[in-house]
Amino acid sequence: DAMVIQNPRYQVTQFGKPVTLSCSQTLNHNVMYWYQQKSSQAPKLLFHYYDKDFNNEADTPDNFQSRRPNTSFCFLDIRSPGLGDAAMYLCATRLAGGADTQYFGPGTRLTVL
Amino acid sequence: DQQVKQNSPSLSVQEGRISILNCDYTNSMFDYFLWYKKYPAEGPTFLISISSIKDKNEDGRFTVFLNKSAKHLSLHIVPSQPGDSAVYFCAASVVGNQFYFGTGTSLTVIP
Repeated sequence: DAMVIQNPRYQVTQFGKPVTLSCSQTLNHNVMYWYQQKSSQAPKLLFHYYDKDFNNEADTPDNFQSRRPNTSFCFLDIRSPGLGDAAMYLCATRLAGGADTQYFGPGTRLTVL
Repeated sequence: DQQVKQNSPSLSVQEGRISILNCDYTNSMFDYFLWYKKYPAEGPTFLISISSIKDKNEDGRFTVFLNKSAKHLSLHIVPSQPGDSAVYFCAASVVGNQFYFGTGTSLTVIP
């Protein structure tokens, strides 16, 4: 089945220790998104890729970086995680020009100690 | 500024009855609206959508209504089933642009 996969599902890191979250998709969608979602809050868009074009939201901290080496994979790097970065990180994909629907992965729950 | 609002954090409904989840938005440029369902420890799953050229869209037990003049949409689930218990997010966009999500409504369907 075509899907969006996120690894790991749960990540524990220490304050200030870099961490990388990964997302892969078999949908062949050209747009990929990273969201941060904290408890009882709406998902917050961090950035997205339209093919290889990177689009950063204005209020995304510099601490967050992303890489998309190919269509299928996208990575979220948090260079120096703080306690406030503990959240669920959601990856989503969309086919530009198709139905304007985003398809989400299961998320990675990040804990910062 | 929250452009999409779900003012009810939670809703409880008896099995078999209708569940009505509400969502309000502020940006009149939004022309595409969606509902997502989310179970604990899973990502949001697309449920149903509606374009601004329509005022109603049905898919089985799920119907979404759009009132553009009131900037309001609602999701009706009839009949409600215990498996519908989840958090429901509404989202809005200008087609091709980013989604704006509400904060979610947790639905509990009581057997």
